[in-house]
Amino acid sequence: EDKVVQSPLSLVVHEGDTVTLNCSYEVTNFRSLLWYKQEKKAPTFLFMLTSSGIEKKSGRLSSILDKKELFSILNITATQTGDSAIYLCARGTNAGKSTFGDGTTLTVKP
Amino acid sequence: SQTIHQWPATLVQPVGSPLSLECTVEGTSNPNLYWYRQAAGRGLQLLFYSVGIGQISSEVPQNLSASRPQDRQFILSSKKLLLSDSGFYLCAWAGGGGTDTQYFGPGTRLTVL
Repeated sequence: EDKVVQSPLSLVVHEGDTVTLNCSYEVTNFRSLLWYKQEKKAPTFLFMLTSSGIEKKSGRLSSILDKKELFSILNITATQTGDSAIYLCARGTNAGKSTFGDGTTLTVKP
Repeated sequence: SQTIHQWPATLVQPVGSPLSLECTVEGTSNPNLYWYRQAAGRGLQLLFYSVGIGQISSEVPQNLSASRPQDRQFILSSKKLLLSDSGFYLCAWAGGGGTDTQYFGPGTRLTVL
């Protein structure tokens, strides 16, 4: 089964905190692991990971993939209220499709 | 640059009525196109995807159908809506030839009453 499991499902933190979001996936036809941020409507792309152990970074956000243990994490340091969103993890396959997890809803309080 | 359009933004329809949602992409050729549905508090469920004109793959059996009459146009339809068709519908595109990153339209909020 093409499963992507994200944890936690929701998280409430205060500004300045650091958060770690988790994503585990099934290995069948795996090609890439993608992270998206969904604020109000359309998800927007954050990272695509294909190789183990190589961290991708964009400002306060970073992500890494472990292909042996079949998981990825998304870190956000010094959180701001603008980071409040649903963070979606997706597994890209050789067929060009993506399977999405249920997302982690992050709420950052001032 | 590439842009993706989806309309309408919101729709309220009675049970049993037909549905047509449209998605168009600009600034790219031969994209992969996708229709997703998102239930409240859930991730994205892939409904249909297309790698070319007239080529549609259905992911889940359901009350919906999709068509791709032109390279950059993707249409989601139903002949008779069910209550369970309510949800947030997202169209997305990706570059053809194995690009996994998808770019999403603004979505359509469908409520079936």
